[in-house]
Amino acid sequence: AQTVTQSQPEMSVQEAETVTLSCTYDTSENNYYLFWYKQPPSRQMILVIRQEAYKQQNATENRFSVNFQKAAKSFSLKISDSQLGDTAMYFCAFMKTGNNDMRFGAGTRLTVKP
Amino acid sequence: DTAVSQTPKYLVTQMGNDKSIKCEQNLGHDTMYWYKQDSKKFLKIMFSYNNKELIINETVPNRFSPKSPDKAHLNLHINSLELGDSAVYFCASSYRDVNSPLHFGNGTRLTVT
Repeated sequence: AQTVTQSQPEMSVQEAETVTLSCTYDTSENNYYLFWYKQPPSRQMILVIRQEAYKQQNATENRFSVNFQKAAKSFSLKISDSQLGDTAMYFCAFMKTGNNDMRFGAGTRLTVKP
Repeated sequence: DTAVSQTPKYLVTQMGNDKSIKCEQNLGHDTMYWYKQDSKKFLKIMFSYNNKELIINETVPNRFSPKSPDKAHLNLHINSLELGDSAVYFCASSYRDVNSPLHFGNGTRLTVT
């Protein structure tokens, strides 16, 4: 079974600065997908970014980028130029290829301070 | 608007009652899910249906029964509600064969008193 670990229950960052959220996972699979979801206080689950394991290039979406280290089974999220609206729970998720069973980490609560 | 919509948004009920949560998606997806988010924000998959067929069934009490009348709908019925059932329940949908990300509804906060 795949497990996803987010070792930082809470983090904070000053507005306009950069923060990195950690995620590690455990799998024996070679092909899989990784995701970061954001859950603001509104409770909505919003996809932030996704990464295919077969791609070496790190995914980027505007201010959000990942550092995917396949050998280390690490998938961290970097948020640049943090904004107040980035305050949310962030969940790392794993999905095996051909299987829609998405597994989530325990989440990291990020607070962006003015 | 294209979306995953679930109703009701909030549900407060007493122990022992039976309740249902409805979910509909108009994204054309063929796979739908129910997740449970507990008070510590941990998200755990409960069920997944592909074209009305059950494909994931985690260890969930049989008081929980999903029903999928068609691929655009997945409802969750809960019998004999218990205090521990209090949580936020999320419906989600995706395409099965292309490992697409899940699109979530806004959640139903269930409170059992």
